[in-house]
Amino acid sequence: DGGITQSPKYLFRKEGQNVTLSCEQNLNHDAMYWYRQDPGQGLRLIYYSQIVNDFQKGDIAEGYSVSREKKESFPLTVTSAQKNPTAFYLCASIQQGAYGYTFGSGTRLTVV
Amino acid sequence: GQNIDQPTEMTATEGAIVQINCTYQTSGFNGLFWYQQHAGEAPTFLSYNVLDGLEEKGRFSSFLSRSKGYSYLLLKELQMKDSASYLCAAFSGGYNKLIFGAGTRLAVHP
Repeated sequence: DGGITQSPKYLFRKEGQNVTLSCEQNLNHDAMYWYRQDPGQGLRLIYYSQIVNDFQKGDIAEGYSVSREKKESFPLTVTSAQKNPTAFYLCASIQQGAYGYTFGSGTRLTVV
Repeated sequence: GQNIDQPTEMTATEGAIVQINCTYQTSGFNGLFWYQQHAGEAPTFLSYNVLDGLEEKGRFSSFLSRSKGYSYLLLKELQMKDSASYLCAAFSGGYNKLIFGAGTRLAVHP
């Protein structure tokens, strides 16, 4: 079955550590996105990528970094510069010319 | 600026009808989505409107007025499993970027 796989589902990080969240899709979708969701808030765009080796900052990119070396993969690194990283992170993808995202199941990151 | 507004919480009775409203202000509007999200899970697609009017899909219907920057999601014959958050989201500009509202938490009571 095609879909988006995010791992791990739950992640704990100590303050000052970088951590990388995985997002893999086997849908052959061109565009991929990372969103962050905090309690009582909507999804906010962190980074997005339309094609391999290219990506753009979203609305809240500070403290995050991404790479898009392969079409299937769009990992997100939460750096120590992100002041409040505890949140639910969602990866999504879409085929060019189509509508409607496909979402991964999310990663809940907690800083301890 | 870009802004999407929807009520924070709503309650309704099982078997009833509920309407969740959404107003939006976005640049380069290309369509309006509604997603359902249960706690701790990913959003799931409910509907997409790009033209004015009503789209019906079983118990769920969605309406769009582009001139008024307004949409609503109508849920009929409510069931307990419909208790969830409902997210309004607009396609904005290029690159297929979705701008999300904060979501409306719907509680369905017996």
